[in-house]
Amino acid sequence: EDQVTQSPEALRLQEGESSSLNCSYTVSGLRGLFWYRQDPGKGPEFLFTLYSAGEEKEKERLKATLTKKESFLHITAPKPEDSATYLCAVHLWVGGSQGNLIFGKGTKLSVKP
Amino acid sequence: EAEVAQSPRYKITEKSQAVAFWCDPISGHATLYWYRQILGQGPELLVQFQDESVVDDSQLPKDRFSAERLKGVDSTLKIQPAELGDSAMYLCASSLGGNLYTEAFFGQGTRLTVV
Repeated sequence: EDQVTQSPEALRLQEGESSSLNCSYTVSGLRGLFWYRQDPGKGPEFLFTLYSAGEEKEKERLKATLTKKESFLHITAPKPEDSATYLCAVHLWVGGSQGNLIFGKGTKLSVKP
Repeated sequence: EAEVAQSPRYKITEKSQAVAFWCDPISGHATLYWYRQILGQGPELLVQFQDESVVDDSQLPKDRFSAERLKGVDSTLKIQPAELGDSAMYLCASSLGGNLYTEAFFGQGTRLTVV
């Protein structure tokens, strides 16, 4: 069964304390992995797309990496405004159609000043 | 900047009543998704359209939920009758579609409360 698991469920950091979020997946036919940020009461906001093992993407204090079994979202020197839930999703091909996104449950990040 | 538009933002309805949500995707996006998100969980796909055709509705509770995208542009998701367990955030997303997958962009969602 296709599965996406994110850890930890919640992470509390002090401002400036770097850390990493994990997304592990057991899927067949992976076509891409996506990271989203979601603020309370709002829709997910797209951050990164990763397509192949070894690929890396960066945006401000965030860096996403991909291996054959998992992805990491590294947060360097976080600020309180980075507090949000970070969602990982994998794109699968479904027969001849485009496929769909399967999401993990997310990691809720809190950054204290 | 182009956005996915959803309405209403909030909806409170009594159980057994009908409720409908509307989504207008980003112009030119062929693929449209409806997701349901329960508090503390990740979004779960309800239905996916490619233009006006349904390509995946395997998780849509078809006895009470229906979705349409008649002209391949905007879409409506309906629940009739609503049940208490339908309380959730309903998210619409769109992407360019085609053979090479591109990222999906989400709207702000509709928060449904069934009382």
